[in-house]
Amino acid sequence: GAGVSQSPSNKVTEKGKDVELRCDPISGHTALYWYRQSLGQGLEFLIYFQGNSAPDKSGLPSDRFSAERTGGSVSTLTIQRTQQEDSAVYLCASSPGTASNQPQHFGDGTRLSIL
Amino acid sequence: AQSVSQHNHHVILSEAASLELGCNYSYGGTVNLFWYVQYPGQHLQLLLKYFSGDPLVKGIKGFEAEFIKSKFSFNLRKPSVQWSDTAEYFCAVNWIGNTGKLIFGQGTTLQVKP
Repeated sequence: GAGVSQSPSNKVTEKGKDVELRCDPISGHTALYWYRQSLGQGLEFLIYFQGNSAPDKSGLPSDRFSAERTGGSVSTLTIQRTQQEDSAVYLCASSPGTASNQPQHFGDGTRLSIL
Repeated sequence: AQSVSQHNHHVILSEAASLELGCNYSYGGTVNLFWYVQYPGQHLQLLLKYFSGDPLVKGIKGFEAEFIKSKFSFNLRKPSVQWSDTAEYFCAVNWIGNTGKLIFGQGTTLQVKP
């Protein structure tokens, strides 16, 4: 079946521009997570959605980062006024429910490069 | 703070050698434990998981891991590696009651020489 889909796969943009990253979770998965994978920092949690609400935003690094989820499905991560330190691979994952023992299924990620 | 440590950052082995990758997590309650693997050019895939019960868990491709509660460890093992095991391996921990978010170790790059 279809896995987690992320778009674009690669994004190159100039410092100061805004970017939007999209995640399509596995159909029926109610939980959705965003992570960031960067050199020197490893894999870091950003935000968690259950349905359309985000009970845990503790990993968002600054107020330039925001995310939303609509219809309990697609999620968009927005980075405003991008900085070079935002360069990373942004990963989305989904899982079937709220239980913390549900394994997360990851997408291929969006590689973001800030010039 | 909750944290996960992987002690080996880069491991090089010959085919048929045995593998053990260390993973320790900080104390902080009941946990669910995972190992994920990322093959070159592919997305993260679940290798194995521990939730409860038998502390020795078996995963795909001949991998296993042992949860030792007293040591806060969840080491990954494979008796005989293959060239196709070349990948990056991540240990991840979820603290129960802490939403479902995963805290990852830094990752270990495994290179298996044919």
